[in-house]
This record gives sequence, structure tokens and C-alpha cells, in this order.
Amino acid sequence: QITLKESGPTLVKPTQTLTLTCTVSEFSVRMGVGWIRQPPGKALEWLALVYWDDDKRYSPLLKRRLAITKDTTKNQVVLTMTDMDLMDTATYYCARTKVGLGYFDSWGQGILATVSS
Amino acid sequence: EIVLTQSPDTLSLSPGESGTLSCRASQSVRADYLAWYQQKPGQPPRLLIYGVSRRATGIPDRFSGSGSGTDFTLTISRLEPDDFAVYFCQHHDTSPTWTFGQGTKVEIK
Repeated sequence: QITLKESGPTLVKPTQTLTLTCTVSEFSVRMGVGWIRQPPGKALEWLALVYWDDDKRYSPLLKRRLAITKDTTKNQVVLTMTDMDLMDTATYYCARTKVGLGYFDSWGQGILATVSS
Repeated sequence: EIVLTQSPDTLSLSPGESGTLSCRASQSVRADYLAWYQQKPGQPPRLLIYGVSRRATGIPDRFSGSGSGTDFTLTISRLEPDDFAVYFCQHHDTSPTWTFGQGTKVEIK
């Protein structure tokens, strides 16, 4: 049973860069790790994803602000989001998928990142 | 980008009843790549259904998915207290992006 856990700052100021880390219990072949966020009381929004072979995908709406990287030696996936705004306040989840599937079958508990001055 | 619209926003049901949730796509979902998730307050989403009708591991057969093209349905039979939650659909095509619906809240009547 794979586990994922998000870590990072819970408070950032407007215009700052948010850096979140997802630590997974294993990073296997054909696996992907994605980031999905959810503003309080609102819907889920997919942000970015990286596959085991370093293939990366980004939300077209946020692509210019996002970067996703992985470090398989540490079993970690890092998401950076630049130029944070009040509207980016949300719970950020990392979740597992597999090549060719596209759905997320394991999720971390999420981390609430609040943007406030 | 495929836009998913769920209806209704809120569904009020009593335990033991059955409920039907709808998810409509702005364009045809290729190869039936449509999933459903359940989310309870303070918890991450849990995968219920993928590939339109395939139940994820450990999901009871009270949950069933159907549909094709642009119209999809999640049916919950014999509602139990634990089923009252928010449900999201997601298209999980292997195209570069993925989107979720806005959610349907199933509440106790």
C-alpha cells in the first residue's frame, strides 16, 4: 500500500514562491505523481504531474507559474508555484497514478497553504 | 480542455434510499476515461470508480457507474450513513491535462 505525504509552508505572502514536497513510500516504474489543489469549499483542480521517466505535464492555465521535479533517490516530488496570490489559498494534495491510467488511486492527506500578507 | 458539469449541486436523500449523480462533459470522453471520487470533510478524495464503471479496490457494489460519450452517472444504492459526502467526477484520458467536475454534495434529508 503506497503512502504519500505533503510537506511545506502553511503560510506564504503574496508574490512569494510556494515550494511543496511530496514524499512517497515508493516510486516504481510506470508510476506518476500529480498535484491537485482544492480551495476551501470548492472543487478539485489538477495542477501538474510527473511520471517515473520524467515526463511532465502541466495545467495550461497555470503552466507559466509551475514547475514539478522528482528525486527518485529520496522518493520525493517537488512542486513550485511562483507569484502566489490570495486566490491560491488551498489544500494541496499529491496523488499517485500510473502511465496510461490517469486516475489517482492513492492520495496524501493534503496540506493547507494560506496566502496572506 | 474538457469541462465537466455535475448535477445536482446538492442531493438530499434518506438512508436506505438510492441516488443518481450526473456528470456531463463538454466533449466526448475518449475511451470511457471517466472516474468518480468520494470526499468527506477534512479528508482527501477516495477513488470509487474508474473507466466509467470499474469499481476501485474495496468499493462496495452499492456504487455503480455508467454512461458513455458525454453523459455519465454514478448511482449509489441503499445509502448508508457513511455515504453522505461530496462526489467528484474526473476525466482521466491520457491527454496532457485532466479536469474535475465541481462536485455534488449528498446530504441527509
